Amino acid sequence: QVQLKESGPGLVQPSRTLSLTCTVSGFSLTSYGVSWVRQPPGKGLEWIAAIWSGGSTDYNSALKSRLSISRDTSKSQVLLKMNSLQTEDTAMYFCARSTSFDYWGQGVMVTVSS
Amino acid sequence: DIQMTQSPSVLSASVGDRVTLNCKASQNINKYLNWYQQKLGEAPKLLIYNTNNLQTGIPSRFSGSGSGTDYTLTISSLQPEDVATYFCFQHNSWPFTFGSGTKLEIK
Repeated sequence: QVQLKESGPGLVQPSRTLSLTCTVSGFSLTSYGVSWVRQPPGKGLEWIAAIWSGGSTDYNSALKSRLSISRDTSKSQVLLKMNSLQTEDTAMYFCARSTSFDYWGQGVMVTVSS
Repeated sequence: DIQMTQSPSVLSASVGDRVTLNCKASQNINKYLNWYQQKLGEAPKLLIYNTNNLQTGIPSRFSGSGSGTDYTLTISSLQPEDVATYFCFQHNSWPFTFGSGTKLEIK
């Protein structure tokens, strides 16, 4: 069945770079895109970035200068990098299958703190 | 960016009530509107896609409608397990955007 699972460091220091991995199963990254979405504690959802089945990418314009999304199709993984982290980047980070946006991972909590 | 405005922000209703949640886009989104249910500590769950299509496995008491800029999620008979926050989401134009959510409570 379709599954997505996020992994990452949990705690990151301010100004450092965050690296997150979404490992998928049950579908191919060359047939479906994957997006990243984040949710600060107690707040709403924010779309961050997407990588589509053909390999093209899209980014949230407010975060674009700090983001990089890529994939490794041999490992069924999508990678998200975000640099210059601030406390405001503390959030639960989800990956979701796109363009249908139907399946989501359980999320990984990232805390930015010294 | 397209702004998505949900109303009300909090809705309290009784079991068995028919409830309506609203979502308004700042411009036409051509029915590319999904509804998600999120329970505390869980990932969002897709209920309705592209305005009025019920996702597989979702109870038929959930339905969606709308066009242009105005969209609605209806629960025909509220159940205790429907307590959650509901988000609308437009995927017509990048960057895709979410509404701020409606928190649904039981009276």
